[in-house]
Amino acid sequence: DIQMTQSPSVLSASVGDRVTLNCKASQNINKYLNWYQQKLGEAPKLLIYNTNNLQTGIPSRFSGSGSGTDYTLTISSLQPEDVATYFCFQHNSWWTFGGGTKLELK
Amino acid sequence: EVQLVESGGGLVQPGRSLKLSCAASGFTFSNYYMAWVRQAPTKGLEWVASITNSGGSTYYRDSVKGRFTISRDNAKSTLYLQMDSLRSEDTATYYCTRVRGRTGLDYWGQGVMVTVSS
Repeated sequence: DIQMTQSPSVLSASVGDRVTLNCKASQNINKYLNWYQQKLGEAPKLLIYNTNNLQTGIPSRFSGSGSGTDYTLTISSLQPEDVATYFCFQHNSWWTFGGGTKLELK
Repeated sequence: EVQLVESGGGLVQPGRSLKLSCAASGFTFSNYYMAWVRQAPTKGLEWVASITNSGGSTYYRDSVKGRFTISRDNAKSTLYLQMDSLRSEDTATYYCTRVRGRTGLDYWGQGVMVTVSS
């Protein structure tokens, strides 16, 4: 099974900061990497699919990049409504999720 | 608008059974693969099972293989998860999700809680 490791596990940042979340796969996942946002008590929401494609309706401050085993989600200017846990998800070989990064406001 | 509404959760004793349902609307259900994903309390997400659009093929994670059965009724636009021989480690919120081709899981339901405890 492909293991997905997210870092950091908790991130504190201020409104307006540029924020970077990381996700590392145990083997090449060929850019089949999605990012989801989960707010407290809510279902996950798709933000980015296949590394760098913005899901319809998602603000353009969210972007994704990466290849091979290393992937990144960037929020260009953090907003209060971005407080959430972010999960990466690989669908190259079976399906596995990362453990999540909890994003908090400083 | 795509909507996925789960039902059927609750408290059940170890070894007993429970059947979850997911009513889909806002899209042509029979065109999409579907899946169940779960999240144990304060834990991360875990894929459980998935099914092709026709229902002809199903896939399971090892820990539920032989105990859980995913199925669908395309005429009713409904996805199911039959869970037998439940264990305490199956305690989680179960989400119904839509699979959008090679782009992975796109829409999720609000989830239904399953608690396995004596």
